[in-house]
Amino acid sequence: DQQVKQNSPSLSVQEGRISILNCDYTNSMFDYFLWYKKYPAEGPTFLISISSIKDKNEDGRFTVFLNKSAKHLSLHIVPSQPGDSAVYFCAATSTSNFGNEKLTFGTGTRLTIIP
Amino acid sequence: KAGVTQTPRYLIKTRGQQVTLSCSPISGHRSVSWYQQTPGQGLQFLFEYFSETQRNKGNFPGRFSGRQFSNSRSEMNVSTLELGDSALYLCASSRGGATDTQYFGPGTRLTVL
Repeated sequence: DQQVKQNSPSLSVQEGRISILNCDYTNSMFDYFLWYKKYPAEGPTFLISISSIKDKNEDGRFTVFLNKSAKHLSLHIVPSQPGDSAVYFCAATSTSNFGNEKLTFGTGTRLTIIP
Repeated sequence: KAGVTQTPRYLIKTRGQQVTLSCSPISGHRSVSWYQQTPGQGLQFLFEYFSETQRNKGNFPGRFSGRQFSNSRSEMNVSTLELGDSALYLCASSRGGATDTQYFGPGTRLTVL
């Protein structure tokens, strides 16, 4: 049972344009969400997170939007750069149990930025 | 500040053998989590250790076990290896709070023949 879903395995975007990566979740206990980026032969690198008390969080070129009623979040990258080409993972967790470190990941979206 | 390190980076074993993977967390981090990444399943949570105690566990068989030492270093052991255990094993460390960022190591690529 995939509780976090990234339905687009791949996405290609022109350099300078906006990249939008989507993620859906089913577990209503999830209240903290994260995006990680992964290059080949490296571990995932944390990008940005959002708590369920917010609907938007911004950090430089990266913005994450959360729609709790739709159980949907998205990552916007503006403008897209060649170095953004990587696999992006959406992850979620429930913070109701203090110290619950279990992250549930989506299967990833491979983003390719076309120069 | 040094990042999370994992050893070995690559490992080849045969079915039925056992294997031990090691993870050294970022200095000051007390939580270490382990994940398995496979092409079909993505990253799946194995277990998490905090202050030498297993605090959380995923849905993996008992062949997968771990431990954490007093210096927060952690080891993961897989006994009676199966072909399906071939995967990238990632560990992540954090300070241990519910929203503290988990920082990942580069992973150990395990191939079971």
